[in-house]
Amino acid sequence: DTAVSQTPKYLVTQMGNDKSIKCEQNLGHDTMYWYKQDSKKFLKIMFSYNNKELIINETVPNRFSPKSPDKAHLNLHINSLELGDSAVYFCASSQPGQGAGETQYFGPGTRLLVL
Amino acid sequence: QKEVEQDPGPLSVPEGAIVSLNCTYSNSAFQYFMWYRQYSRKGPELLMYTYSSGNKEDGRFTAQVDKSSKYISLFIRDSQPSDSATYLCAMKAPYGGSQGNLIFGKGTKLSVKP
Repeated sequence: DTAVSQTPKYLVTQMGNDKSIKCEQNLGHDTMYWYKQDSKKFLKIMFSYNNKELIINETVPNRFSPKSPDKAHLNLHINSLELGDSAVYFCASSQPGQGAGETQYFGPGTRLLVL
Repeated sequence: QKEVEQDPGPLSVPEGAIVSLNCTYSNSAFQYFMWYRQYSRKGPELLMYTYSSGNKEDGRFTAQVDKSSKYISLFIRDSQPSDSATYLCAMKAPYGGSQGNLIFGKGTKLSVKP
């Protein structure tokens, strides 16, 4: 059973296109996240979201928008893709109020390449 | 100064060696300290978690936190080729909202040679 899954695993697209990445978690967690990992492996949070609150990292361009159809899903929409958007995008989830600093469980990543 | 500093390596050791991985940080509000392991082309997975200062041991892995020095360490004893991965430190303040985000180091790439 995959706890956090993402589709697609690989995404190659042209500059200017709009694309979406899907994320699903079957852990029953209330909070989900999107992270970007650049070519130097630096992992940086983009969004965190639960049923009540969307927290956006101020450095994220507004071309990126999370969409949550239900508690188990948080999709990432990217408009007008740019070369600099090429990276690996990770979805994660956690349960607020749990011990261990709210351990985050990560998906396998989506490798996005913008040509 | 970045909030979390971690030497990216790469670090190459022979099988059976003791490995020491370290991070320093600047935000004294951090209370939760984690080590994640990331295999090539996989997502990070939680390896060790420590709250505040002190040591924690789990099998061959020991995590240490020295809040006075703002320094955390992960030790791997009797390292195995299967330990070859990138190790990311991560830390978090006990706040809600963006102030409570998990902040990662850049990761140290470890290679254990048979």
